[in-house]
Amino acid sequence: DQQVKQNSPSLSVQEGRISILNCDYTNSMFDYFLWYKKYPAEGPTFLISISSIKDKNEDGRFTVFLNKSAKHLSLHIVPSQPGDSAVYFCAASAGGYQKVTFGTGTKLQVIP
Amino acid sequence: EAQVTQNPRYLITVTGKKLTVTCSQNMNHEYMSWYRQDPGLGLRQIYYSMNVEVTDKGDVPEGYKVSRKEKRNFPLILESPSPNQTSLYFCPSSGQGLYGYTFGSGTRLTVV
Repeated sequence: DQQVKQNSPSLSVQEGRISILNCDYTNSMFDYFLWYKKYPAEGPTFLISISSIKDKNEDGRFTVFLNKSAKHLSLHIVPSQPGDSAVYFCAASAGGYQKVTFGTGTKLQVIP
Repeated sequence: EAQVTQNPRYLITVTGKKLTVTCSQNMNHEYMSWYRQDPGLGLRQIYYSMNVEVTDKGDVPEGYKVSRKEKRNFPLILESPSPNQTSLYFCPSSGQGLYGYTFGSGTRLTVV
């Protein structure tokens, strides 16, 4: 049972435009959400997170939006750069640091 | 440099031959975990540990063992590896109040 879903395996965006990566979840107990970026041959790196008490968190070019009623979150990257080309994982946890559930990932390609 | 170190990076082994993948972190993190990454399935949690001598099963623990005798180390043991354990393994860690995992570079395991 996939509790965190990323329904788009891949996404292509022109450099300078907005990239929007989506994530849906089914477990209403999730209260913390994270995004990770992964380059080939490297481990994932933490990008940005959001608590369920907020609906938006911004860090530079990256903004995460949370819609609790729809059990949906999205990551916006503006403007997109070629260095943003990577696999992006959405993750969620319920009440603790230890049990973090990841989605299946979305491969973003930013075209120069 | 703050990091998580996994060894080996690459391993090819035969079915049934016991192996251990080591994981060490130098950040004094309480939380450590093991994940496997497979195509189309994302990152799935195998085991996690909240501190020394405190471990618990994740979503896919079958065929694996762990131990946490020291805070910095969290080895993954495959007593009798099988081909369906061929995967890319990650051992991230996290500290109190720090919600993002720090990942190492991973271990690519092939069981033939």
